Amino acid sequence: DAMVIQNPRYQVTQFGKPVTLSCSQTLNHNVMYWYQQKSSQAPKLLFHYYDKDFNNEADTPDNFQSRRPNTSFCFLDIRSPGLGDAAMYLCATSRGGLAGLNEQFFGPGTRLTVL
Amino acid sequence: KQEVTQIPAALSVPEGENLVLNCSFTDSAIYNLQWFRQDPGKGLTSLLLIQSSQREQTSGRLNASLDKSSGRSTLYIAASQPGDSATYLCAVRPDGNNRLAFGKGNQVVVIP
Repeated sequence: DAMVIQNPRYQVTQFGKPVTLSCSQTLNHNVMYWYQQKSSQAPKLLFHYYDKDFNNEADTPDNFQSRRPNTSFCFLDIRSPGLGDAAMYLCATSRGGLAGLNEQFFGPGTRLTVL
Repeated sequence: KQEVTQIPAALSVPEGENLVLNCSFTDSAIYNLQWFRQDPGKGLTSLLLIQSSQREQTSGRLNASLDKSSGRSTLYIAASQPGDSATYLCAVRPDGNNRLAFGKGNQVVVIP
């Protein structure tokens, strides 16, 4: 089945220790997104890639970076995690452009704990 | 800036009752609207997507309607079951960009 995969599902890191979250997709979608979701809140878009073009949200802290080495993979790097960065991180994909439905498909998420 | 509101934040219904969940948005210039389901500690599952030119979409027991001019969408779940217990999120995609604006969700509990 075509899908969005996130690894690991659970990640524990120490305050200030860099961490990388991984997302891969078999949908061959050209847009990939990273969201942060805290308890009982709506997902908050951090950034997205449209093909190789990186689009950062204005309020995304510099502590968050992303890489997309190819169509299938996208990584979220948190350079110095703080306690406030503990959250669920969601990856999503969609077909870009106005011709498609542009429905977003989400992965299962990575739950990040910062000690 | 597009604001999406879902009220109430939480509701409980007895099994078998029909569920009606409401979503309102402030800017009617949308490209589409998507309803998602989220189980605790899990990712989002897409339920229905309605294009701005459509009035409704149906999938099994689910029906979503869209009234773009009044900035409203409603998700109906017929004959609710305990397995329908989850948080339901509404998200709109504004015209001209790929970003979704999410509501905070309706947390639903279906009581057996």
